[in-house]
Amino acid sequence: GAGVSQSPSNKVTEKGKDVELRCDPISGHTALYWYRQRLGQGLEFLIYFQGNSAPDKSGLPSDRFSAERTGESVSTLTIQRTQQEDSAVYLCATSLSLAGVWGEQYFGPGTRLTVT
Amino acid sequence: RKEVEQDPGPFNVPEGATVAFNCTYSNSASQSFFWYRQDCRKEPKLLMSVYSSGNEDGRFTAQLNRASQYISLLIRDSKLSDSATYLCVVTSGTYKYIFGTGTRLKVLA
Repeated sequence: GAGVSQSPSNKVTEKGKDVELRCDPISGHTALYWYRQRLGQGLEFLIYFQGNSAPDKSGLPSDRFSAERTGESVSTLTIQRTQQEDSAVYLCATSLSLAGVWGEQYFGPGTRLTVT
Repeated sequence: RKEVEQDPGPFNVPEGATVAFNCTYSNSASQSFFWYRQDCRKEPKLLMSVYSSGNEDGRFTAQLNRASQYISLLIRDSKLSDSATYLCVVTSGTYKYIFGTGTRLKVLA
């Protein structure tokens, strides 16, 4: 497809379980971002990947959160031992940088995570 | 001070009205500026990029004022379908995109 895709679209899990969220970027977009958006709130930056460079993990809220991306392909965000406060929509976005100028970000439809 | 600030609204306007939103940013090194639209329970979608000379796309006009560090969005002839939250986005020097918390617009019939 032409856009960013994410799976699953919805995930309900019990407190304490691990979850894995997936993002398929737009082909050729070197930069990939994960954000979290709680209900009624703004976007919270989690992590950034750029090619094979070391990711910027500065936004990850705790060590229960981790993410991986191999090259410029799929990324997975893993949340271990989920807590109720992890309930949110997790959004993936990708973008392209040309000559150091950052273009538009394109978002996937998000994964709505509910921890019961 | 927040890096990007927006009036949260809501702005309630009648159909056909003109409405304007402003957004201020604190990092004078910011290079790229965007307006996104987010509908309820949906992902943000790019509305338009904002260029130094200002730009227009149909009923939407965006302006950038680097000296005063703000960007604006003007919507003319508002439609019911324009009801959404409008997010101001600024790049923070390198790869970080800083999102405002959004301005809610409700267009009333």
